[in-house]
Amino acid sequence: NAGVTQTPKFRILKIGQSMTLQCAQDMNHNYMYWYRQDPGMGLKLIYYSVGAGITDKGEVPNGYNVSRSTTEDFPLRLELAAPSQTSVYFCASSYGSGSSPDTQYFGPGTRLTVL
Amino acid sequence: AQTVTQSQPEMSVQEAETVTLSCTYDTSESDYYLFWYKQPPSRQMILVIRQEAYKQQNATENRFSVNFQKAAKSFSLKISDSQLGDAAMYFCAYKETSGSRLTFGEGTQLTVNP
Repeated sequence: NAGVTQTPKFRILKIGQSMTLQCAQDMNHNYMYWYRQDPGMGLKLIYYSVGAGITDKGEVPNGYNVSRSTTEDFPLRLELAAPSQTSVYFCASSYGSGSSPDTQYFGPGTRLTVL
Repeated sequence: AQTVTQSQPEMSVQEAETVTLSCTYDTSESDYYLFWYKQPPSRQMILVIRQEAYKQQNATENRFSVNFQKAAKSFSLKISDSQLGDAAMYFCAYKETSGSRLTFGEGTQLTVNP
């Protein structure tokens, strides 16, 4: 199993540009998550999904959108990039039944710089 | 709201010795999970150890063990026989049993000296 994969690893955007961060998992996990990590800080939850077609906001959702059309994929969309979105983005997944998701496993991260 | 505090921004240890990283948290819940994650320079977040709050026994994974003090809301990580590969940023994290969100502390940067 590849686990959780993320592309790209690095990206530089200009202010106002858009992009999609890709995330895929092959563990048949129903829960998936997007976090951002600012320098010297812990991770903060942007959005999460409890299954295909179901998404919900986390702690810092402004400026981002997500969709979940399949169990495997959970892309994160930035519509109008701003310098405040310069960060490292992590995707994670977990298995859970009902409302009790289990341990989260993380992808390698995407380092995004907005200039 | 739940908060997680790691009061040691940096720690260092000599190779083969033992080090303890501190973590405290604040919650009104009685059932929850606690985690320690390791983030080496590669940035990959790696699960080190997990503790269920309803379990009184402290979790252990090889050289890694925790001291879970529920009443004090304390969750420290002990690394025995430290190795150079243990050098990383360590994050303590909290999750409600019925919730999806992980709440992270700000991390402790561990240096292992040869």
